[in-house]
Amino acid sequence: GAVVSQHPSWVICKSGTSVKIECRSLDFQATTMFWYRQFPKQSLMLMATSNEGSKATYEQGVEKDKFLINHASLTLSTLTVTSAHPEDSSFYICSPPYKDSYEQYFGPGTRLTVT
Amino acid sequence: AQSVTQPDIHITVSEGASLELRCNYSYGATPYLFWYVQSPGQGLQLLLKYFSGDTLVQGIKGFEAEFKRSQSSFNLRKPSVHWSDAAEYFCAVGARSYDKVIFGPGTSLSVIP
Repeated sequence: GAVVSQHPSWVICKSGTSVKIECRSLDFQATTMFWYRQFPKQSLMLMATSNEGSKATYEQGVEKDKFLINHASLTLSTLTVTSAHPEDSSFYICSPPYKDSYEQYFGPGTRLTVT
Repeated sequence: AQSVTQPDIHITVSEGASLELRCNYSYGATPYLFWYVQSPGQGLQLLLKYFSGDTLVQGIKGFEAEFKRSQSSFNLRKPSVHWSDAAEYFCAVGARSYDKVIFGPGTSLSVIP
């Protein structure tokens, strides 16, 4: 259970443009989705929590106007990186809240490179 | 709030040798504990998890971990390391079911043939 897909798996964009990353729950409904970011050779850091039907909550230090999160339905959460800069280059991973019955808890990730 | 530390940034072992990766957590109640492995450029793979019950947990790829409440630890072990085990290992902790997970800084494992 808890199969999560992300699209795209890899994206390159130019500085100043926006990129949308999709996170879909394939075999369950998710009222909540967590978004993590991993810089090269670092650990995963929680960025924000998306909630279906309400505004996302952001961790301290994460710019909510730069990282727009939308939880459009019970199976889709999106992260849009607006006006991307090279320092936004990172690995972005979504994850549903865990339950004992789930086998995996994380999406495959999206690698963003901003040139 | 929960937190987790992994004291060893990098460990090198010889193939066939035993392995122990350390993980310590901070949380007031019994946490939910996880070990993940990540190969370069790849996503996370769950090795094992502890929610309740037997404190010695068996995972995939021959890994096991033991939850020790008195030491606030959840160390990962493998009796004989294979070259393919070289990767980054993350310990993670959750406060309760249906909650987010907080990651430790990770331990990079190198295996000498």
